[in-house]
Amino acid sequence: AQSVTQPDIHITVSEGASLELRCNYSYGATPYLFWYVQSPGQGLQLLLKYFSGDTLVQGIKGFEAEFKRSQSSFNLRKPSVHWSDAAEYFCAGGSNTGNQFYFGTGTSLTVIP
Amino acid sequence: DAGVIQSPRHEVTEMGQEVTLRCKPISGHNSLFWYRQTMMRGLELLIYFNNNVPIDDSGMPEDRFSAKMPNASFSTLKIQPSEPRDSAVYFCASRRGTSESYEQYFGPGTRLTVT
Repeated sequence: AQSVTQPDIHITVSEGASLELRCNYSYGATPYLFWYVQSPGQGLQLLLKYFSGDTLVQGIKGFEAEFKRSQSSFNLRKPSVHWSDAAEYFCAGGSNTGNQFYFGTGTSLTVIP
Repeated sequence: DAGVIQSPRHEVTEMGQEVTLRCKPISGHNSLFWYRQTMMRGLELLIYFNNNVPIDDSGMPEDRFSAKMPNASFSTLKIQPSEPRDSAVYFCASRRGTSESYEQYFGPGTRLTVT
């Protein structure tokens, strides 16, 4: 079955440290992959997306993600985390084979001073 | 652009009452989604429309829930009768095209509390 999996429910990092949030997908065809961020009390905001071309995509707020077909992954990274990055992060995906779009269960990020 | 507009932002109602949540998608967007978010179940897709036509309502919990999209600029999600377990944040999102390659734009959500 097609799906998106986020293995980490919660991650804590120190401010200024690097960050990597994991996302794995299960799609037979070329996937369309997205990362969204949700701050407390807010809706989801798109950080970046991938659907073709360069496998390293840049997003807003200094985030980037790399599509790795061999590992079925689309991990989100940031070289230096800021306290304002504390939020819930969702990976999501779909494909061109049908109307199937899935959100992962989310990873909650805590940033400590 | 005003973004996706949802109303009300907060709703408190008593069990058994009818609740109607409203959504105005971004102008020109062809797809509209209704989600429910709770701590226990996370983000759940309830139903989505392409060009005002319901495509997949398999996420609608039960017959108490219904959704309509009478035109391209308005959609409602109705719960009748409401129950305490319906308490959640309900999000509406819209998308420019019907392809899964387009991103969804989310509204600020409606926080529903059923007492």
